[in-house]
Order: sequence, then C-alpha cells, then structure tokens
Amino acid sequence: DQQVKQNSPSLSVQEGRISILNCDYTNSMFDYFLWYKKYPAEGPTFLISISSIKDKNEDGRFTVFLNKSAKHLSLHIVPSQPGDSAVYFCAARGSGAGSYQLTFGKGTKLSVIP
Amino acid sequence: EPEVTQTPSHQVTQMGQEVILRCVPISNHLYFYWYRQILGQKVEFLVSFYNNEISEKSEIFDDQFSVERPDGSNFTLKIRSTKLEDSAMYFCASSARRGANEKLFFGSGTQLSVL
Repeated sequence: DQQVKQNSPSLSVQEGRISILNCDYTNSMFDYFLWYKKYPAEGPTFLISISSIKDKNEDGRFTVFLNKSAKHLSLHIVPSQPGDSAVYFCAARGSGAGSYQLTFGKGTKLSVIP
Repeated sequence: EPEVTQTPSHQVTQMGQEVILRCVPISNHLYFYWYRQILGQKVEFLVSFYNNEISEKSEIFDDQFSVERPDGSNFTLKIRSTKLEDSAMYFCASSARRGANEKLFFGSGTQLSVL
C-alpha cells in the first residue's frame, strides 16, 4: 500500500543549484500535502505545505508545486545549500471527516555537495 | 523555540515485556499523535488523541497499544507485550489546531529495540 510514493531514494546536487524532489500520490481524497525534512537522530521538521486548492506555495528558498491532474507534487530548493542535506519526506492528508492522519512517502535523501 | 520532548531516546526490552514511551508535547498544543518508522520503511501513523480520548487510530494500533495523558503535560504510549516487530523509531507529535494548514511538530523519537 503505497499511497504516497517518492521514487528517488537519493539525490545529489551541487551547492547553489536547484534541488527538485518529487512525490506522487494515488489517493484522490488527499487534499493537503506537506514536506518534512529529517536530519539523523532528529524527528521530522515541517518545511512547507500546500492545499489542494492551490498549485504553488513559496516560502523563501522552498517552493512546492502541485499538479492535481497528475497527482504529483514537487519541492524545489533554490539555491541549494550544504545544510539542506537531509532526508525529505512527502506527506499527504485526506479530506474525510475526522481524518487527520498523515500518510508519508519513504523519503528522498538529498546530498548537497559544496 | 518550543519543542516536543521524548524520553528515553533509546529503549531496549525483552519480547513480551511492557514498555512506556513518554512525550511532552508543546505546552499550548491540543492534538497529539504517535507515529513510528521501522528501519528502512516509511513513517506510519499509529494514533491521534484529543480531549482525553483517541480520535483516530490505524490498524497497527491494536489491543497491545494504549495511550494516555496522565497529567497536563505528558503523553504516553504503552505497549503491553512487546513483539520483535515492534522494534522501530517511535515519534510523538503535537499540533495547536486541526483542519486546514495544521502543522505537526515532531519529537526526536524513541528508538525501541525488542530482543
């Protein structure tokens, strides 16, 4: 059961360039999407989110794009910095009444090379 | 910045033993969660808790699991009789509000090893 898929387990990017992390989902009931960043020995840290009524949300160097018809979202980091090296999780939440659980992808490990 | 605190950071137990994982959510938060991540797998939802009762739980959260908010600050996850497959990193999370734009804050986790 992989309702949220992150097909790239890892990604390496040069410092200063753009990092693009991708996420696909299968459940059309998902209406809210989040990206979390996780460093080793720490819990996931909220990064940015997007509601299904939008197709883009931007916060500083981070932008999330949502393509509902393709059931695809992506996280862009520009410019990438070595401190961005972490595991990035895509997560989604359904619109069903009383359902607030997050469904996570398996994560993509981003390495930003100085 | 306020944070969610989890103790212990590591817990080793024998199969069949009871364990209690402890969490102190952010003080003004009202909604509490437990998630877990088995090594190499994705983070999975276990249970959500609000107003002193479970509001949602997953299939993983069977009769061996229970949650409690024994006082105004702690939020605990109890596993009554641990199994080998319960070995995982357990994350507590809290949020200030539900609905649109809910933002979960996670603790650093408790690594549970069942031998």
